[in-house]
Amino acid sequence: GQNIDQPTEMTATEGAIVQINCTYQTSGFNGLFWYQQHAGEAPTFLSYNVLDGLEEKGRFSSFLSRSKGYSYLLLKELQMKDSASYLCAVRALLANNNAGNMLTFGGGTRLMVKP
Amino acid sequence: EAQVTQNPRYLITVTGKKLTVTCSQNMNHEYMSWYRQDPGLGLRQIYYSMNVEVTDKGDVPEGYKVSRKEKRNFPLILESPSPNQTSLYFCASYGQGIRGYEQYFGPGTRLTVT
Repeated sequence: GQNIDQPTEMTATEGAIVQINCTYQTSGFNGLFWYQQHAGEAPTFLSYNVLDGLEEKGRFSSFLSRSKGYSYLLLKELQMKDSASYLCAVRALLANNNAGNMLTFGGGTRLMVKP
Repeated sequence: EAQVTQNPRYLITVTGKKLTVTCSQNMNHEYMSWYRQDPGLGLRQIYYSMNVEVTDKGDVPEGYKVSRKEKRNFPLILESPSPNQTSLYFCASYGQGIRGYEQYFGPGTRLTVT
């Protein structure tokens, strides 16, 4: 099975930087996703990491360390519209090593950005 | 425009009355999935499909069926809905994008079973 942990809630100030951590335990790791979800809406894709290192995409960056089972999402120059839940999800290979689509989500981190 | 569509968006039904939620994607993705989202429990995968006629159970498949007869469609079937299936349902499709795999979610279907 898989176990994914991320903080339940975080608060940050507009214009600041915030780091949302995600730790996971899984067999057959085959990629980690970050999504943003505003209340009542569908999750939207932010990033995908499968190799160690940092992926930068505008104000958002995502980091992965496979040996530590750890990822973080970094949000810079926070804006009020960044108030949302951020979901970490891990993709696992199937038992036969085929690239399956078994995705397990963490519970999400609710980020509140204050003026 | 790349998108995943779901219908209906909202549905109120009674226990035991069979229903189908449709899902369609226009990106020629091989992978499609169904999730349910409940307060405090996050997103949980119900079923997924790796290609036409290839489906497998996710974490919470009990009470649900799926089919994948065409690449673009992946309907979710509740043969005999029960109140514990009241939830927000998302369909998603998944394929190779510019930066690796990207997963797109449909807008969601809010189902209430009374």
